[in-house]
Amino acid sequence: QQQVKQSPQSLIVQKGGISIINCAYENTAFDYFPWYQQFPGKGPALLIAIRPDVSEKKEGRFTISFNKSAKQFSLHIMDSQPGDSATYFCAARKAAGNKLTFGGGTRVLVKP
Amino acid sequence: ETGVTQSPTHLIKTRGQQVTLRCSSQSGHNTVSWYQQALGQGPQFIFQYYREEENGRGNFPPRFSGLQFPNYSSELNVNALELDDSALYLCASSRPGDSNTEAFFGQGTRLTVV
Repeated sequence: QQQVKQSPQSLIVQKGGISIINCAYENTAFDYFPWYQQFPGKGPALLIAIRPDVSEKKEGRFTISFNKSAKQFSLHIMDSQPGDSATYFCAARKAAGNKLTFGGGTRVLVKP
Repeated sequence: ETGVTQSPTHLIKTRGQQVTLRCSSQSGHNTVSWYQQALGQGPQFIFQYYREEENGRGNFPPRFSGLQFPNYSSELNVNALELDDSALYLCASSRPGDSNTEAFFGQGTRLTVV
């Protein structure tokens, strides 16, 4: 059972454009929603995270939008740069320290 | 770079063999989780160790086992290796209960089973 569904699988955006990645979850017990960035040959690195008591969180060029009623959340990468080319994973977790459930990943390519 | 280190970085094993992967957690982190990431997929939770005890397990068979040591480092053991075990194995450390509850991942061990 895939509890976190992520789309699209891949994305090509021009430098300076906006990358948008969407995730949907099923388990209403999830209370923490991080996004990870992964470069080839590296482990995932935490990018930004949100809890369901807020609808939006912004850190630099990265923004999470969260819709609790729809059980959906998304990552927006503003002013996309070639260095942002990586695979992005959304994830969800039920309680502090509990396991992370990951989406399938989105491969983002930013063209110069 | 996180403070989580994994060894070895790459490994090639033959089907049926056994393998041990190692992880040193970030300083101050007492919980270690292991994930399997097949090529082109998201990481899948294998199990978690807290205070040297298994504290949650994903949908993996018993031939996947682990240990956590008093210094919070951890091992993942896989017996009777199968071709489908070929993947990137990730270790993540965290400190549950702390206000800073993020999990930090190591760079992973790439296991190839031939």
